[in-house]
Amino acid sequence: AQSVTQLGSHVSVSEGALVLLRCNYSSSVPPYLFWYVQYPNQGLQLLLKYTSAATLVKGINGFEAEFKKSETSFHLTKPSAHMSDAAEYFCAVIPFHGSSNTGKLIFGQGTTLQVKP
Amino acid sequence: KAGVTQTPRYLIKTRGQQVTLSCSPISGHRSVSWYQQTPGQGLQFLFEYFSETQRNKGNFPGRFSGRQFSNSRSEMNVSTLELGDSALYLCASSSGWRDDYEQYFGPGTRLTVT
Repeated sequence: AQSVTQLGSHVSVSEGALVLLRCNYSSSVPPYLFWYVQYPNQGLQLLLKYTSAATLVKGINGFEAEFKKSETSFHLTKPSAHMSDAAEYFCAVIPFHGSSNTGKLIFGQGTTLQVKP
Repeated sequence: KAGVTQTPRYLIKTRGQQVTLSCSPISGHRSVSWYQQTPGQGLQFLFEYFSETQRNKGNFPGRFSGRQFSNSRSEMNVSTLELGDSALYLCASSSGWRDDYEQYFGPGTRLTVT
C-alpha cells in the first residue's frame, strides 16, 4: 500500500532562512505527489504537484519540490521564509487502481512550520 | 470561478444524534471526495463520488454515508454520533477524469459532538 511519511512534526526557521520540509513516500509504482498548505481554520490549498513530468516542480508562493526516485523523497523547499509561510504543510500521494484515478489522497501527518522574526 | 463551498461551517451536536454536511464543488467538476481531519489521526479519506456513484471508500464504519446529486453537489451523513466524530470534515472537488489529479478543497465543516 502506498504511504507518505513526513519527517518532523514541527519545523522552526527564522524569517529569511531556508525552509526544508521532508517527505518520503512508499510506492511500488511511480506515484503522483502533492504538497498542500493549511492555514488556521481553513481548508487545504495546493502548493504544487508531481505527475511524472519534470522532477523539479515549482509551485506557488516561491515553493518548489524535487522528486528523487532513488531516495523515494519529495522534499519541499523555499529559499527565504516569510512570516506568512507559517502554517501546516501536508505531503500527499494519490494511489491508482490500474489506470483509474481513485479520487483518494493519502496524506502524511503534517509539518507545522513556525517562522520567527 | 467560485471555489468549493461547504455548509454549515460550524456545527455542535449531541451524542446519538445524526448530522448532514453539504458540499458544492467547483462548477464543471464531477468528483467530490470527503476527508476527516483530527489531531490524532490526521487527514483520512472517507469516500469519493463521481457522477452520483460512489467510486471509492475509506475504512470508516457504516455510520458514515454519503451521496451525490445530479448537479454534483454532495452530502455526507453521520448517524448515531460519537464523541470521536468531532473533527474538521473537508470535501474536495476535482474533474474526476483519469488524467486530472488535482483536488481543490473547501474550508471545511467543524463538527463538535458533546
